[in-house]
Amino acid sequence: AQTVTQSQPEMSVQEAETVTLSCTYDTSENNYYLFWYKQPPSRQMILVIRQEAYKQQNATENRFSVNFQKAAKSFSLKISDSQLGDTAMYFCASHTDKLIFGTGTRLQVFP
Amino acid sequence: DTGVSQDPRHKITKRGQNVTFRCDPISEHNRLYWYRQTLGQGPEFLTYFQNEAQLEKSRLLSDRFSAERPKGSFSTLEIQRTEQGDSAMYLCASSLTFLADTYELYFGPGTRLTVT
Repeated sequence: AQTVTQSQPEMSVQEAETVTLSCTYDTSENNYYLFWYKQPPSRQMILVIRQEAYKQQNATENRFSVNFQKAAKSFSLKISDSQLGDTAMYFCASHTDKLIFGTGTRLQVFP
Repeated sequence: DTGVSQDPRHKITKRGQNVTFRCDPISEHNRLYWYRQTLGQGPEFLTYFQNEAQLEKSRLLSDRFSAERPKGSFSTLEIQRTEQGDSAMYLCASSLTFLADTYELYFGPGTRLTVT
C-alpha cells in the first residue's frame, strides 16, 4: 500500500525567511515519483515541484527545493525567501499508478 | 491551453437525490482522475481512467458512486441517493502518461457538493 504522512498540520514563517515542510512516504515500488502541490485558499491545486525516485539529485525550482532521502523515505520541501503569496495548503504526494496525497500542511506567511 | 474544467462549480442537493458532475480534461491527456476532498484534508483518491477504461476504483467508494468516460474524453461522476457525508469538494485531474512520463496531474477547480 502507498501512504504519505505529513506531521505538521500548520506552519508559519515571516516574509523573506526560510521554512521547511516535512513529509514521509511508504511504497513497495521501486519506480515512483514524489510531488509537492500547493492549494491557495479557494483556488485550485498547482504543482510546486517534482522528484523522480531514481534521481539522486534533489530537485529545485527557483525558491523551492526538496531534500529527498530515499532510504529514509523522506521528502521535505524548503521554501526560501518566503513571500505572502506562498500562503496556502501544501500537499506532499507520491505516484506509482496513481497519486496519493498526505493530509497537508497549512502554511501562513506573515509580513 | 484551456486547462481542466468542471461543471457545476457548486451543487446543493437534498439527501436522497442523485447528482452528476462533469469533468473535461486537457484535450490530449489520456488519464483522468477523480478525487474527493473534505475541509482541511488532502484529496482522497476515488477512481481513474486511462482513455475510456476505468483502471481502478477505491475500495472506500460505495456502490452509490459511479464514473464513466465513454469516449476517452470527458468524464462524469454520479452519486446516487446522496448522504450528508457525501458533502465535499470533488476534484478532477488529468495527465499524460507517455512521452514525457512525468505523471504530473493537472487539476480542475472542483465541484463543491453540499447535501442538506
